[in-house]
Amino acid sequence: GAGVSQSPSNKVTEKGKDVELRCDPISGHTALYWYRQSLGQGLEFLIYFQGNSAPDKSGLPSDRFSAERTGGSVSTLTIQRTQQEDSAVYLCASSPRTSGAGVHEQFFGPGTRLTVL
Amino acid sequence: AQTVTQSQPEMSVQEAETVTLSCTYDTSENNYYLFWYKQPPSRQMILVIRQEAYKQQNATENRFSVNFQKAAKSFSLKISDSQLGDTAMYFCAFAPNSGYALNFGKGTSLLVTP
Repeated sequence: GAGVSQSPSNKVTEKGKDVELRCDPISGHTALYWYRQSLGQGLEFLIYFQGNSAPDKSGLPSDRFSAERTGGSVSTLTIQRTQQEDSAVYLCASSPRTSGAGVHEQFFGPGTRLTVL
Repeated sequence: AQTVTQSQPEMSVQEAETVTLSCTYDTSENNYYLFWYKQPPSRQMILVIRQEAYKQQNATENRFSVNFQKAAKSFSLKISDSQLGDTAMYFCAFAPNSGYALNFGKGTSLLVTP
């Protein structure tokens, strides 16, 4: 079946502009995660959605970052007034359940490479 | 807070040889999971192997195996009979049983040469 998809694959924007990154999880997966991978770094957790519950936004680095998940499926990560330090690869993952990350594997998308000039 | 440390930024191995990637972690949790993920140039993160902390037996997946030392908080990955397709970034990750987000190390870049 289809895996996690993300769009766009690459995004170049100017400092101060807003961007939207999209994630389509695997059908039937109730949990969705966003991570950020900066150059030379590991992945940094941003936000977690589980079904219709309130998301865990504890990883968002500033109030310029927000995310929503419509209908328990597609998610959009929005970065307002982008800064050069926002340049990174943004990865989305989904999993079938939420009771502990280790119980079920997180399936990752190919990521969106964001470049802020 | 949990931290994951990968002390080898880059490694190289010849095809058909064996290589071991190191990972240590710090946690006060007793129940948790450990993972190794592979990220080739395509950026797609792929799960290589995982280990439940309550299991004493080391996990094995074909040419990939781990050496899990719970007391030492060490979780190394051994790749046997290395293949050119194993060239990638390898990330060690930790997740407490009570949580969901993965905590990643900074990765080890592995190059397999002919």
